[in-house]
Amino acid sequence: ETGVTQTPRHLVMGMTNKKSLKCEQHLGHNAMYWYKQSAKKPLELMFVYSLEERVENNSVPSRFSPECPNSSHLFLHLHTLQPEDSALYLCASSQGPSGRQETQYFGPGTRLLVL
Amino acid sequence: DQQVKQNSPSLSVQEGRISILNCDYTNSMFDYFLWYKKYPAEGPTFLISISSIKDKNEDGRFTVFLNKSAKHLSLHIVPSQPGDSAVYFCAADDTGNQFYFGTGTSLTVIP
Repeated sequence: ETGVTQTPRHLVMGMTNKKSLKCEQHLGHNAMYWYKQSAKKPLELMFVYSLEERVENNSVPSRFSPECPNSSHLFLHLHTLQPEDSALYLCASSQGPSGRQETQYFGPGTRLLVL
Repeated sequence: DQQVKQNSPSLSVQEGRISILNCDYTNSMFDYFLWYKKYPAEGPTFLISISSIKDKNEDGRFTVFLNKSAKHLSLHIVPSQPGDSAVYFCAADDTGNQFYFGTGTSLTVIP
């Protein structure tokens, strides 16, 4: 495996379900990110981890809970989501520790549908 | 308030001609700019970047121009190829950890 991988690629869940999104990077990077992309809206940064510590949390609702057990893995735990949370969730990584003028490399995304 | 704007949601260009994608930003603290390309069902792929100390960066058929006084950047693709058909996002980096993305421009290159 190379680059940034995400599983699952597609997920349908009910509002009472609990699920987790997984991201893995094989680039030796030290910073990882979760983004949300809704239709016709810009990519929204949700969380940033640098050296496994959360450094940014853009006022994301608590029904989204990130976890970064090591520099290669990032999870997004989901519970009691709302239909408006349906979106493409993208993971990215950069060389880091996250700093200036670094390129972020994205995974393919998880398409989430909340019913 | 959106700090990075791509005002053209779509663009169609004939194969072999030049594609020009535009991006405007509002925050003068942005000092690093990137273009990403996204195919359906895939994540964005890094294309080209430019630092604010430059006004042009070229990589093969792709050139990014930065006009700091106008807070405007553009991506030129010459010559355009059908495989370039994708959604293009511009992004800007401030001095912190966050990238700010535009809403994207869908480019269609007509054979």
